[in-house]
Amino acid sequence: DQQVKQNSPSLSVQEGRISILNCDYTNSMFDYFLWYKKYPAEGPTFLISISSIKDKNEDGRFTVFLNKSAKHLSLHIVPSQPGDSAVYFCAAKTGGFKTIFGAGTRLFVKA
Amino acid sequence: DGGITQSPKYLFRKEGQNVTLSCEQNLNHDAMYWYRQDPGQGLRLIYYSQIVNDFQKGDIAEGYSVSREKKESFPLTVTSAQKNPTAFYLCASSISVGQETQYFGPGTRLLVL
Repeated sequence: DQQVKQNSPSLSVQEGRISILNCDYTNSMFDYFLWYKKYPAEGPTFLISISSIKDKNEDGRFTVFLNKSAKHLSLHIVPSQPGDSAVYFCAAKTGGFKTIFGAGTRLFVKA
Repeated sequence: DGGITQSPKYLFRKEGQNVTLSCEQNLNHDAMYWYRQDPGQGLRLIYYSQIVNDFQKGDIAEGYSVSREKKESFPLTVTSAQKNPTAFYLCASSISVGQETQYFGPGTRLLVL
């Protein structure tokens, strides 16, 4: 039972354009959502997060949008850069300790 | 430089053998975690520890064991009871169990000979 789903295994975008990575969840008890970025041979690193009481959080080129009624969140990267090429994991947690991760989306940004 | 180190980068296990994956952090974090990643799947929690000398099973603890004798160290043993151990193993830590952001090590890839 995958509570956090990233339905696109990969995404290819031209440099300078917008990258949109999507994530769906099933558990309405999730109250905090995170995006992690992972380069090959490295562990994931935290990128950006959003609380369930908000619908948008922005940090530089990265913006996360949360649509609670649709149980959907998305990560927008504008403008996309070749260095953004990585695997992006969506994650969600409830008030407790457990973080549930999606399977990841591999982003390719073409120069 | 503060961070999490995992060793070895690659590990080979023979049938029936126990192997131990190392995880060390110098971030002074109380909580530590072990995850397993398989192709096409998200990270799945094996074990976690809130504090020294305490640890709890995650979703897929069968065939694994851990110890937390020191704050900095959280080794994972893959026992012979784990019938499908080939995977990428990630160790993480956070200030406390409830703290949202986790910091990950570079991972260990375990392969079965």
